[in-house]
Amino acid sequence: DQQVKQNSPSLSVQEGRISILNCDYTNSMFDYFLWYKKYPAEGPTFLISISSIKDKNEDGRFTVFLNKSAKHLSLHIVPSQPGDSAVYFCAAHNIFGQGTELSVKP
Amino acid sequence: NAGVTQTPKFRVLKTGQSMTLLCAQDMNHEYMYWYRQDPGMGLRLIHYSVGEGTTAKGEVPDGYNVSRLKKQNFLLGLESAAPSQTSVYFCASSYEGAIRNIQYFGAGTRLSVL
Repeated sequence: DQQVKQNSPSLSVQEGRISILNCDYTNSMFDYFLWYKKYPAEGPTFLISISSIKDKNEDGRFTVFLNKSAKHLSLHIVPSQPGDSAVYFCAAHNIFGQGTELSVKP
Repeated sequence: NAGVTQTPKFRVLKTGQSMTLLCAQDMNHEYMYWYRQDPGMGLRLIHYSVGEGTTAKGEVPDGYNVSRLKKQNFLLGLESAAPSQTSVYFCASSYEGAIRNIQYFGAGTRLSVL
């Protein structure tokens, strides 16, 4: 049973628009969530995190929202840039989602 | 500033062969991890270590063994490779348990088992 799920394998957005990447989890004991970004032929790198005591965490163009009642988090990238094209993983307690491949078109 | 280094980067094995993947970190991290990445499956934890001389099983440990003889190194062994072990393997390390701490990843090892 996949405890962390990213149901959208891919997402394509226009440069300058907002990218929204979604993640769902099933374990209500999860209390800390991280997003990682991965370019081809490289390992994942940390992007942003959020604790369950918050519902929002912002870092520059990146904002993560947490809805505990829905067991759902989302990563917003505004404005999206071509360099943001990568695979994004959400993770909780060493459990990673399947990843969403974001493509930002110029 | 090397961070986490994995060797080799690529390897092709025949079914039944053995090999060892090496992971080295220079950040003095206590925790180290081995993951495999397969299409549509994300990253799945194989084994991890919470310090020198310790190892523990993760989500998908079968067919793999690990050793952490030195704090900076974490080895992943395949004793008898199977085609199902064709994957990309990532090593990671963190200062403390990764629930609240960032994991730093190597660039990966792409393994094909024929």
